[in-house]
Amino acid sequence: QKEVEQNSGPLSVPEGAIASLNCTYSDRGSQSFFWYRQYSGKSPELIMSIYSNGDKEDGRFTAQLNKASQYVSLLIRDSQPSDSATYLCAVNRSGGFKTIFGAGTRLFVKA
Amino acid sequence: GAVVSQHPSRVICKSGTSVKIECRSLDFQATTMFWYRQFPKQSLMLMATSNEGSKATYEQGVEKDKFLINHASLTLSTLTVTSAHPEDSSFYICSASLGARVSETQYFGPGTRLLVL
Repeated sequence: QKEVEQNSGPLSVPEGAIASLNCTYSDRGSQSFFWYRQYSGKSPELIMSIYSNGDKEDGRFTAQLNKASQYVSLLIRDSQPSDSATYLCAVNRSGGFKTIFGAGTRLFVKA
Repeated sequence: GAVVSQHPSRVICKSGTSVKIECRSLDFQATTMFWYRQFPKQSLMLMATSNEGSKATYEQGVEKDKFLINHASLTLSTLTVTSAHPEDSSFYICSASLGARVSETQYFGPGTRLLVL
């Protein structure tokens, strides 16, 4: 079992729709969770961080964390073609400073 | 704020040569810097973690004598790929964090694309 698992996609949504990206992790003691966006050929850029159960909203983005289910998700409202990228879920494991990245989900937003 | 730069952005070298990549935090002091490698269509793989003034901590399977890391100051870390071979061709990305807490966000540099011929 991978430490951080994501569906590789591609996930295709029409412009204006809600894109839902999911991630599960194996270390129950994980403390910090991040979503990064990576455009092709570029390095990752931070979208959201979340540390406690529940929802965290920032503009069109909402991160959801459920530690009991070891599940974190990212919702993108009013998806735009410019949102087309690979979205990486990252988890800081307990007891250390190491961040584990998922393989990423490719998102395509069709105009 | 929290800008990280890398240099060079792209390098092509002959097999057997060494390549140095610089990672700088431009507007903050980075307690910890990380070096990642990413092969096409794969996720980021952590190579090593470096703290200013101390030896880097390498991940399992990463040869410390081949990938030399120097974190000489709070704003600069370097990765030297020694005796590079074609299989070392990859996208190398550094990141830096403001502090040492587990919750600290990492800020990524733009990456260096290495091609070894």
